[in-house]
Amino acid sequence: TQLLEQSPQFLSIQEGENLTVYCNSSSVFSSLQWYRQEPGEGPVLLVTVVTGGEVKKLKRLTFQFGDARKDSSLHITAAQPGDTGLYLCAGFSNAGNNRKLIWGLGTSLAVNP
Amino acid sequence: GAVVSQHPSWVICKSGTSVKIECRSLDFQATTMFWYRQFPKQSLMLMATSNEGSKATYEQGVEKDKFLINHASLTLSTLTVTSAHPEDSSFYICSAYATNEKLFFGSGTQLSVL
Repeated sequence: TQLLEQSPQFLSIQEGENLTVYCNSSSVFSSLQWYRQEPGEGPVLLVTVVTGGEVKKLKRLTFQFGDARKDSSLHITAAQPGDTGLYLCAGFSNAGNNRKLIWGLGTSLAVNP
Repeated sequence: GAVVSQHPSWVICKSGTSVKIECRSLDFQATTMFWYRQFPKQSLMLMATSNEGSKATYEQGVEKDKFLINHASLTLSTLTVTSAHPEDSSFYICSAYATNEKLFFGSGTQLSVL
């Protein structure tokens, strides 16, 4: 069974601090995706990483895919209150005939002004 | 980007009644749609995979007679919670599978069963 371990599960920091969220697995994924979700809304795709060792930047967010495509990280620089939300990593599983996303447990981030 | 419309956004119903939630892909055809359930500050739990023109594939522990899924067209899937009870209260989200491993999500439906 493919699993994605996401950590930390909860994070409360002050505005201006940096943080990193990790997503780890013992399995190889063809791609990993990061989503951000606000209360009462559906997740919004932030980025998809496909190539081992890939680094993508989205303003103050930096996403990295491990060389072996088993892990990924999200680093936020100088966090702002607007970054508050639930961050989810997900990887596509090719198990069986059903192609579906395997989800991490999520990281609930609170950035305090 | 692709848009997935989910309705209603929230619904309050009495115990024992049935509730239908619609998920539409507005600008693309989705042969596969997914239905999730989510509790506050927790990750998404996949309930079922809905394929157009065929029966849905339910995850272990999800009652198919309780959560009826219909995917009659390439742009519409529906989830009906039958004989809803308070323990069915939750946030339900649909997503539609586009191309290149991209999923687009609806805005979710908050169901409260009294």
